[in-house]
Amino acid sequence: AQSVTQPDIHITVSEGASLELRCNYSYGATPYLFWYVQSPGQGLQLLLKYFSGDTLVQGIKGFEAEFKRSQSSFNLRKPSVHWSDAAEYFCAVGISNAGNNRKLIWGLGTSLAVNP
Amino acid sequence: EAQVTQNPRYLITVTGKKLTVTCSQNMNHEYMSWYRQDPGLGLRQIYYSMNVEVTDKGDVPEGYKVSRKEKRNFPLILESPSPNQTSLYFCASSLRFSGGYNEQFFGPGTRLTVL
Repeated sequence: AQSVTQPDIHITVSEGASLELRCNYSYGATPYLFWYVQSPGQGLQLLLKYFSGDTLVQGIKGFEAEFKRSQSSFNLRKPSVHWSDAAEYFCAVGISNAGNNRKLIWGLGTSLAVNP
Repeated sequence: EAQVTQNPRYLITVTGKKLTVTCSQNMNHEYMSWYRQDPGLGLRQIYYSMNVEVTDKGDVPEGYKVSRKEKRNFPLILESPSPNQTSLYFCASSLRFSGGYNEQFFGPGTRLTVL
């Protein structure tokens, strides 16, 4: 069955420190991978996506992610965290199934807190 | 501005009182979908629509209905809401898929409480 695992439920970093959020997926076909961010009381904003090609993808707000097929991982990174990055981060894999539904399978999220 | 809008953003209601959450997109997207977000369960798909008059169940359709009479609108209907439908609901849309995948754009969410 398809699944997405975000091993870290909660992470706290200091402002200016580097960040890595982990994401592992289970999906038999070519994965379409996404990272979304949800700020308190806000909707879901796409940070970046991987469809094919270069395995290191750049996103908005200085984020990047690396797709590693051998490890079934798509970890999110940022070299220097800002206080405004405090939010919930979701990894998702896009799948297709009967009827061409393109639903997203979501991880449970990682809550990021940033210390001043 | 390209966007997905949902109304209302917040709703408190009582068990059994029919309600509709509206979703509208201005991007001429064919595909639309509803998700609910619950602590510990993440986001789960309720219903989706490939185009006008084409809808189908997602993973958790029980207690919900949808319709797609116009391309831009995809309302979520709760005929007889129950407390277990208390959740945060998201509508999403994207261009139609042609073998691959397209980014889905999300609305701001509707927080529903059923007493």
